[in-house]
Amino acid sequence: DGGITQSPKYLFRKEGQNVTLSCEQNLNHDAMYWYRQDPGQGLRLIYYSQIVNDFQKGDIAEGYSVSREKKESFPLTVTSAQKNPTAFYLCASSTTGMGVGGYTFGSGTRLTVV
Amino acid sequence: QQPVQSPQAVILREGEDAVINCSSSKALYSVHWYRQKHGEAPVFLMILLKGGEQKGHEKISASFNEKKQQSSLYLTASQLSYSGTYFCGTDFDRGSTLGRLYFGRGTQLTVWP
Repeated sequence: DGGITQSPKYLFRKEGQNVTLSCEQNLNHDAMYWYRQDPGQGLRLIYYSQIVNDFQKGDIAEGYSVSREKKESFPLTVTSAQKNPTAFYLCASSTTGMGVGGYTFGSGTRLTVV
Repeated sequence: QQPVQSPQAVILREGEDAVINCSSSKALYSVHWYRQKHGEAPVFLMILLKGGEQKGHEKISASFNEKKQQSSLYLTASQLSYSGTYFCGTDFDRGSTLGRLYFGRGTQLTVWP
């Protein structure tokens, strides 16, 4: 079955460390997204990419970086510059056709700073 | 540009109805609705496109009032399985392909037996 896989499910980061969250999809979707979710805040966009080797900053990109070297993969690195990284991170993908459907989300990674 | 959802929370007994609203200060091209169970990923429910479209999904339906820049999600004869947080996602009137969505803060729906 096609889907989107995020790993790991739980991640603990020490202060000053960079960590990378994995996101892989086999849906043949062109577009991929990273959202951060905090209690009561809804989903806030970090980065998104609509084609390979191209990506755009979202609303809260500071302290994060991404790459899109393959259509299937869109890893997110949380750098030490991100001062408050504890959150639930969701990766999503979609086709880019008009009105053909919504996002498919991965099951998320819960990141905690220790 | 984040859409505003109301109410923030709803508590229902099984079989009761609820309405969740999503409004925007900008013209909308499409509105998406998602449901998220605690600790899980949001699941796509439906999309409504510009033009007054109404869609249905089991006993959950939605409408899109383009003039009011608003969408409403209707849950009728609610079931325990409807519990979760409902998000609307909006795509502004760019006339282009689906891109980034702006999500509301969510409406937490709890259904009791």
